[in-house]
Amino acid sequence: SQKIEQNSEALNIQEGKTATLTCNYTNYSPAYLQWYRQDPGRGPVFLLLIRENEKEKRKERLKVTFDTTLKQSLFHITASQPADSATYLCALLMFSGGYNKLIFGAGTRLAVHP
Amino acid sequence: GAVVSQHPSRVICKSGTSVKIECRSLDFQATTMFWYRQFPKQSLMLMATSNEGSKATYEQGVEKDKFLINHASLTLSTLTVTSAHPEDSSFYICSTLIADSSYNEQFFGPGTRLTVL
Repeated sequence: SQKIEQNSEALNIQEGKTATLTCNYTNYSPAYLQWYRQDPGRGPVFLLLIRENEKEKRKERLKVTFDTTLKQSLFHITASQPADSATYLCALLMFSGGYNKLIFGAGTRLAVHP
Repeated sequence: GAVVSQHPSRVICKSGTSVKIECRSLDFQATTMFWYRQFPKQSLMLMATSNEGSKATYEQGVEKDKFLINHASLTLSTLTVTSAHPEDSSFYICSTLIADSSYNEQFFGPGTRLTVL
């Protein structure tokens, strides 16, 4: 079965630096890979989607890369701010049983310090 | 983006009682809704997929008789935890998928914190 690995340890960085989070998966490459942000006690919020034929996707201060050879996605936040502190979830979109469903990693907690 | 609401946001109940959680799509019609469960510091685990007008599809290991799902309309899906026990205490989140030819994005509700005493 598909497994998703995210660094379970919290990532602590200084404000203004670039945060880089890693998502590794096993088995076959998904058609889509998504990144979500989750704040404590809240539901996840969609950030970015990248397709298997795309190498990189950007949105404002966010950048996602997708390497199907390494079976890895990197999520970057440039010029990080304390407000970026949250848990970031990687998710793979799988087509199973006639519909799409998301399989999530455990998430990496990011703490940006002023 | 789409707006999904859940009710209640928090519920505390005694062991053995049943709890119903509602998930509503506020500004669109959702033929498919998903129910997840999340334990502290763990990933969201998909419990079941709810399809309007048909039976829900449960993931392996999820008891369909314990977690009853009803998707009677295009804007409402309910999850009922029957005969709840302390081990059912968790964060329950619903979501819906808006799909078109080029984009798939799930919109999540704010979640329901269930505590079973």
